[in-house]
Amino acid sequence: GDSVTQMEGPVTLSEEAFLTINCTYTATGYPSLFWYVQYPGEGLQLLLKATKADDKGSNKGFEATYRKETTSFHLEKGSVQVSDSAVYFCALRRSGYSTLTFGKGTMLLVSP
Amino acid sequence: EAGVAQSPRYKIIEKRQSVAFWCNPISGHATLYWYQQILGQGPKLLIQFQNNGVVDDSQLPKDRFSAERLKGVDSTLKIQPAKLEDSAVYLCASSLETQQYEQYFGPGTRLTVT
Repeated sequence: GDSVTQMEGPVTLSEEAFLTINCTYTATGYPSLFWYVQYPGEGLQLLLKATKADDKGSNKGFEATYRKETTSFHLEKGSVQVSDSAVYFCALRRSGYSTLTFGKGTMLLVSP
Repeated sequence: EAGVAQSPRYKIIEKRQSVAFWCNPISGHATLYWYQQILGQGPKLLIQFQNNGVVDDSQLPKDRFSAERLKGVDSTLKIQPAKLEDSAVYLCASSLETQQYEQYFGPGTRLTVT
């Protein structure tokens, strides 16, 4: 079945450091890929998405590129802020379906 | 526009008791989802409604969980009787339709079963 694997956290960074959170997937066909963010006490929010190979999703300084050859969708940001501290979830949606399959989440902690 | 509303935000019950969660989706959203998020894991779909019909309930433990969306708007998820392993955050999400439309999530209900 479909699955998403994320690097384990927490990821601890200082403000303005470079961020990478790894995500790889297993799925049939050509899924759409997503990154969601969950701030403390809040629901999940869509951060960015990509619907086909080589697409780059970007939002709020975050970006991720859909790499079909490596089945990956790594999240990157050039300079993190304290306000980026949250849990980040990688997810996929199989083509023709609406169900999301999530990874376990990666907690990011950014210190001043 | 108002987001997805859920209540209560927190609930503590003893095992074998029953509990119900309520969700009000974004106005006009036809599709509603209930997810279970166990600590340290990603959300897992329990049930999906399209208007007031069930699209997918393959992951719903039907011996103890039930859900309804009678008028195609708000929804209730019930657990009866609760087990310790039901301790989790229950997330409700809605979308305009299915497939390519973004799912918007509510803040969740944190359930603790003692």
